This record gives sequence, structure tokens and C-alpha cells, in this order.
Amino acid sequence: GDSVTQTEGQVALSEEDFLTIHCNYSASGYPALFWYVQYPGEGPQFLFRASRDKEKGSSRGFEATYDKGTTSFHLRKASVQESDSAVYYCALGEDNYAQGLTFGLGTRVSVFP
Amino acid sequence: AQTIHQWPVAEIKAVGSPLSLGCTIKGKSSPNLYWYWQATGGTLQQLFYSITVGQVESVVQLNLSASRPKDDQFILSTEKLLLSHSGFYLCAWSPPWGGKDTQYFGPGTRLLVL
Repeated sequence: GDSVTQTEGQVALSEEDFLTIHCNYSASGYPALFWYVQYPGEGPQFLFRASRDKEKGSSRGFEATYDKGTTSFHLRKASVQESDSAVYYCALGEDNYAQGLTFGLGTRVSVFP
Repeated sequence: AQTIHQWPVAEIKAVGSPLSLGCTIKGKSSPNLYWYWQATGGTLQQLFYSITVGQVESVVQLNLSASRPKDDQFILSTEKLLLSHSGFYLCAWSPPWGGKDTQYFGPGTRLLVL
């Protein structure tokens, strides 16, 4: 079945540091890829998506590029702020009509002033 | 703009008691609807999905059931709660077009079973 692997379980950074969260996927078809962010006590918020090879998604200073060759969709941000502290989820969606997204285990990002 | 509302915000229930959680989506016609469960500190696990009124598909068996009585309403329920049902329940919707569409989540319902 489909799966999403996020390498980092937790990341601790200082403000203005560069953030990278690695996301690799395994899918039978040609999936759409997503990044979501979840703040404590809230539902996940959609950040952005990409649906074809080499497509870049971006939002709020975060970006990721769909790479079919390496089956990756790594999240990056050049300069993090304390308000970026949250859990980030990589997810994929297949053509299977109306089935849900497959989520990675999430990466907890803590940014310290 | 679409809005998604979940109720209740939180529940504390006894093992063996019944449960009903609700979700309403406004501003979108015929959305696909989903229920997810999230253990504390865990990832999201899809439970059910529905593409139309009266039709619900189960993804995992957790002694829960779901129903879609109206186009904009999705209900999650069980007659007998287990300790393992504790967690965060999230409702989501997506446009009625396909499996690759973006899903938008509600604020969630926190459930503690004692």
C-alpha cells in the first residue's frame, strides 16, 4: 500500500534558522503530495500541494518540490520564526476516488527565540 | 467561503457508554466527507469516507460507525466506548471530484474515555 516517511520526528531550531523536513513516499500510481501544519489543539491546516513532477508548492515562506525520481517532497523554509512551532505532516492522495489521504507520522518543529 | 463545524468540542465518557460526534459543512455542495482519528502525539488515521448522502465506506474497523443523513452532515457513533477510543476526532471535506483533491479539516473533537 501507499506510505509516507518523514525522517525527522522532532526538530529544534533557533529563530532565523533554515528548516528542512524530509518526506519520501511510496505509491502505486502518480499521487498528489501535500503538506499540512497542525497547531496544538487544532485540526491540520492545509499548507500547499503539488501534483506533477518538478512542480513547486509554496505558502507562508514554506516550499517543496515534487521529485518523482527520488519520490520526495521535502519541506523547506529559509528563516523560521517562533510562530512556526507546530507539527508538520506530509501526505499523499491517489486516484482512488474519494479515499482519504495517507499521512506521514509528522515532524514536531520547535523554534526558540 | 466554506466552514466546517464539529460538535462537541470535547467529551469525557465512561467505558461502555454510547457516543455521537457530529460534523457540518456549510458553503459547499455535495462534498466528499471523511472521519479521521488521531491518538495523542500520533498521526492521522482515516476511519470513514462518504461521497454522497446515505453512503459511507469504512476504512478501518475500530468498533465505530458513521452515517451521512444530509448532504452537509456526517455523524460518527458507537454504542459502546472502549478505552482505545480516546483521542482526537477530525472531520474533513474535499471537493466532489477525486481522490487527489485537497482535504480541509475541522477543529476536531477531543474524546477521553475513562
